[in-house]
Amino acid sequence: LAKTTQPISMDSYEGQEVNITCSHNNIATNDYITWYQQFPSQGPRFIIQGYKTKVTNEVASLFIPADRKSSTLSLPRVSLSDTAVYYCLVGVGSSNTGKLIFGQGTTLQVKP
Amino acid sequence: KAGVTQTPRYLIKTRGQQVTLSCSPISGHRSVSWYQQTPGQGLQFLFEYFSETQRNKGNFPGRFSGRQFSNSRSEMNVSTLELGDSALYLCASSLGQGWNQPQHFGDGTRLSIL
Repeated sequence: LAKTTQPISMDSYEGQEVNITCSHNNIATNDYITWYQQFPSQGPRFIIQGYKTKVTNEVASLFIPADRKSSTLSLPRVSLSDTAVYYCLVGVGSSNTGKLIFGQGTTLQVKP
Repeated sequence: KAGVTQTPRYLIKTRGQQVTLSCSPISGHRSVSWYQQTPGQGLQFLFEYFSETQRNKGNFPGRFSGRQFSNSRSEMNVSTLELGDSALYLCASSLGQGWNQPQHFGDGTRLSIL
């Protein structure tokens, strides 16, 4: 079971790029890395998923170095509405289960 | 396309009672998972269902149970409620099994035990 470590909290200002790094030293060969976003009183929302190198979608980019022991979620030009908790998750190794193991997450506070 | 729907949104019960929560997944999704979220423990996995079969179970007592119907809708039941069961219960659905399938969460049922 791959344990993840990410900062408890981060502050940013509107318009800035935010990078949240997650460490997962014992990631397994067939594990994927996934990030979720959660607003208060709402369920988590899938942001992005990757296995290696770089993945980009309309809301974020995910950078994964060659050793895959860490990953960085990049949010370009954040706004106040990006204030939320961001969770980094790593697969539990089995390919036939959807069980997600959530850590404490990173609380991002975007200021005007 | 409608998202994951959970009912009811809020529920108040007393100790010793039992409760049933309902989850309707996104149309076409066959996998449903349940999570409990509390300020102290964060998000914890309860169980996962696929094709009406429980595929995975978290570390919760037997008072917590669930089931999935042929239309993929799912229910979870908690018997003999305790104060510590107060939490936000979240349901998530995905197209199929597999950790690389993005999960789509509902907004949860807020359960308060008095």
